[in-house]
Order: sequence, then C-alpha cells, then structure tokens
Amino acid sequence: AQSVAQPEDQVNVAEGNPLTVKCTYSVSGNPYLFWYVQYPNRGLQFLLKYITGDNLVKGSYGFEAEFNKSQTSFHLKKPSALVSDSALYFCAVRDIGYGQNFVFGPGTRLSVLP
Amino acid sequence: SQTIHQWPATLVQPVGSPLSLECTVEGTSNPNLYWYRQAAGRGLQLLFYSVGIGQISSEVPQNLSASRPQDRQFILSSKKLLLSDSGFYLCAWSVLGGRAFFGQGTRLTVV
Repeated sequence: AQSVAQPEDQVNVAEGNPLTVKCTYSVSGNPYLFWYVQYPNRGLQFLLKYITGDNLVKGSYGFEAEFNKSQTSFHLKKPSALVSDSALYFCAVRDIGYGQNFVFGPGTRLSVLP
Repeated sequence: SQTIHQWPATLVQPVGSPLSLECTVEGTSNPNLYWYRQAAGRGLQLLFYSVGIGQISSEVPQNLSASRPQDRQFILSSKKLLLSDSGFYLCAWSVLGGRAFFGQGTRLTVV
C-alpha cells in the first residue's frame, strides 16, 4: 500500500531564510507525488506535482520540490521564506489502484518568524 | 474552467440530528469524487470516494454515508450525528492521472 511520511510535525524558520519541509514515500511502481498547502479553515491548495521528468519541480508561490528516487523523498523547498508562507503543508501520493485515491501525509506546520 | 462548490461553510448540529453536506463540481465530466475529514487541523482521513454515478466506496466504517446521484454531485450524510462526527469535511475531485482540487471545506460542530 502507498504511504507518505512527514517526519517533522513543526518547522520554524526565520523570514528570508531558506526552508525545507520533508516528505518520504512508499509506493509500488512509479510515484505520482504532490504538495498542498492549507491555510486556517480553508481547503487545500495545490503547490506542485511530480509525475515524470526533471527531478526538480517548480510550483506556485516560489516553491519547488526535489524528487529523489533512491531516497524515496520529495522534499519541498523555498529559497527565501515569507511570513505569509506560514501554514500547514501536506505531501501526498496518488494511488495507482481503483479510484486512484490520494494518500496524504500527516502534515507539517510551517512557521515563518519575522 | 473547473470549480468545486461545497456548502455550508460552517454547521452546528445537535447530537442525534441528521446531516447532509453537498458538493458539486463544474467544468469537468466523470470526475473521481472524494470526501475527507480532517480532525484538529492535522491529517486527512479519506471517508468515501466515487468513480461514477451510484458508485461509492467506503474507506472507514462509521456513522456516515455518501451518495452520488449525479455525475458532478457528491453528498455526505448521516441519519444521527455523534459528537465524534465533529470535524472539518473536505470534498475533492480529480481526473485520472491529475491532481486533486479541493472545496473550501465545511466546519461541522456537533453539540
């Protein structure tokens, strides 16, 4: 079965510093990987996805993610954090089976400190 | 363009009362539809998904049910709410191989 781990419950970073939110996955076959962001009392917003191709994927709001097959990781990164990036971040993998469900990690709360 | 509507945004219901949350999608055909529940602002639990009209798969046996009476309509229901049904409910849709698009969520408080 597909699974996603986000080993950090909380990440704190100073504004202007680079940020990394970690994600590792376990899938059978080639992974379809996604990052979403959630602001309080809102739905999830799509940031980026990896299906195939370049290991470095660029997404919305200056975010990017690096796919590493050997380490089964898909870490989210941003060169310079903004206070407005403070939110809950979810990594997800898409199941290849019936329904093609999305399996989400537990989420990482990012706090960017001014 | 595709949009997803989910309502109501907030709901306060007494224990034992019925529930009906509705989700509709525009701008796409034959989407996969999903209901998730999120507790305490953390992880998402998949409750139900549907790959077509009348086709419902349940991931977690509980006090809830789902129906898909039309291609782009997905309804989450309960006959009698429990306190433990409180949470943030999210509807989502996708097409095969694509990303998930989420509604804005419904905050349900059972009192």
